[in-house]
Amino acid sequence: DAGVTQSPTHLIKTRGQQVTLRCSPKSGHDTVSWYQQALGQGPQFIFQYYEEEERQRGNFPDRFSGHQFPNYSSELNVNALLLGDSALYLCASSPLHNSPLHFGNGTRLTVT
Amino acid sequence: GESVGLHLPTLSVQEGDNSIINCAYSNSASDYFIWYKQESGKGPQFIIDIRSNMDKRQGQRVTVLLNKTVKHLSLQIAATQPGDSAVYFCAENMDAGNNRKLIWGLGTSLAVNP
Repeated sequence: DAGVTQSPTHLIKTRGQQVTLRCSPKSGHDTVSWYQQALGQGPQFIFQYYEEEERQRGNFPDRFSGHQFPNYSSELNVNALLLGDSALYLCASSPLHNSPLHFGNGTRLTVT
Repeated sequence: GESVGLHLPTLSVQEGDNSIINCAYSNSASDYFIWYKQESGKGPQFIIDIRSNMDKRQGQRVTVLLNKTVKHLSLQIAATQPGDSAVYFCAENMDAGNNRKLIWGLGTSLAVNP
């Protein structure tokens, strides 16, 4: 049973570009959350998707957007990349109610 | 503001000893707490969780203690092994039923010396 899978594992982009990161949740999970983890820090909540809709959002600008597909997989899009967007982007999945999050190994994004 | 923080940023222990990692939280409305382990190059791995109606929960070699009076959380690892070396995060949550917004601390790096 595959856990949470994310692609790509590493990515290098230039300032101003756009990026799309992908996530497949653990089998049986219908809720996907995205987190940003800067080097040496704890993850910061970006947003959560359930039933193909954004349900909660953290303190991130509109440059960060997402999507959830009918098969529960999800994408994170970041427009107009800034140097400060360089981080590890983590996807986590869970059943909606009363269950801990299961994380993927993340996508390491470097903006130059 | 409300935050979750850790008392000790680094911890070094001898293999076989017990480890205790501490965490303070300030949001009295939080009702669900989780410990995650993160190894280099990997995503956080769930260790153990506890709800606010409990003060202790045990897993395999790990115990989480919750003291709501002083807003303190600790993770105890028995017979620490080299494979336990990682960064440990505590995280808090409100309304754990529907809320997937975890608030994380900075992490404690645990180094196990053989």
